[in-house]
Parts: sequence; C-alpha cells; structure tokens
Amino acid sequence: GDSVTQMEGPVTLSEEAFLTINCTYTATGYPSLFWYVQYPGEGLQLLLKATKADDKGSNKGFEATYRKETTSFHLEKGSVQVSDSAVYFCALSDRNSGGYQKVTFGTGTKLQVIP
Amino acid sequence: DAEITQSPRHKITETGRQVTLACHQTWNHNNMFWYRQDLGHGLRLIHYSYGVQDTNKGEVSDGYSVSRSNTEDLPLTLESAASSQTSVYFCASAPSGSGANVLTFGAGSRLTVL
Repeated sequence: GDSVTQMEGPVTLSEEAFLTINCTYTATGYPSLFWYVQYPGEGLQLLLKATKADDKGSNKGFEATYRKETTSFHLEKGSVQVSDSAVYFCALSDRNSGGYQKVTFGTGTKLQVIP
Repeated sequence: DAEITQSPRHKITETGRQVTLACHQTWNHNNMFWYRQDLGHGLRLIHYSYGVQDTNKGEVSDGYSVSRSNTEDLPLTLESAASSQTSVYFCASAPSGSGANVLTFGAGSRLTVL
C-alpha cells in the first residue's frame, strides 16, 4: 500500500537558518504530493502541493519538488522565522480501488525556530 | 466564510461511556473524513464518507462509528470509550472532482478517557 516516510523530529533551528525536511514515498499509482502545516492548537492546513513529476510547489517561502526518480518531496526554506515553528506533514493522494482519492500522511516533523 | 467546525474542543470522559464528536462543514463538500492524531503515528484514518448515506472504514475503525444523514455533518461515535482512544481527533472535508485530494481540516477535538 501507499506510505509516506518523513524525518524524525524535532528539528531545532536558529532564525534565518536554512530548512530541509526530508520526505519519501511509496505509491502504486501516480500520486499527488503535499505538505501540510499544523500550528499549535490548530488543525492542519495545506502549505503546498505538486501533482506530477518535476513540479515544484511553493508558498510562503517554502518549496518542494516532486522527484519521481528518488520518490521524494523534500520541503525547503531558505531563511526560517520564529513564526514557522509548527509541525509539518508530508502526504500523498492516490486513487483507491473505488476510484476515489485516498490521502496518506507521514508522521509529522516538529520544527522549532529559536530567535 | 465557509468553515468546518468541531465540537466539543475538549472532553474528558470515563471508560465505557458513549461519546459523540460533532463535525459540521459549510463548504458543501461531498467528502468527509475523521482522523486521530497520536505521537509517533501522525494522522490515521478512522472513517470516511463520499456522500450522504455513504460511510467507509479506515485503518483504525474498531470501536468507532459514523453516520452521514446530510452533506454538512459527520458525527463520530465511540460506542464504549477506552483509554486507548485518548487522542486528538480531526475532521476534514474535500470536494468531489479535481479538488478531491485537498483536505480542509477542523481545529480538532481533544478527548481524554479516564
């Protein structure tokens, strides 16, 4: 079945540091890939997505490129801020046997940015 | 503005009691989902629905049930709460068609079973 593996956290960075959160996936079909972010006390919200190989998703300074050859979708940001402190979830969606979209999440990576 | 609302946000109950968590969305989305979030496990799918009168089991459905009598609501019921069901529960919704893979989440319901 489909699965998503992302790096263990927590990740602690100083403000303005470069961020990479690794994500790899296993899927039988041609999935779309996503990063969701969860701020403290809130639900998840979509950060960015990519629907096919070599697509780059970007939002709020974050970027991730859909790499089919390495089955990866690593999240990057050039200069993190304290306000980026949150839990980041990598996810994929693929069609199930009934033809509906099924979303599979990774375990989440907590990012803490210190001033 | 459209929204997805969960209630209660926090609940403490005792083992063996029946508990219902409400989820109401005004996005007019056909697809609705319930997840639980636990440390080390991320989000795990409990039940989901692709429309009125449709319900399906997810990967961790034992001890939970849902019903879908209208488009807006998908209540999650714990028939006999167990301590292993202490968790944060998230409801999500998505449209049919091309946007079906983008989920909109509620703020979560934290359930403690003593």
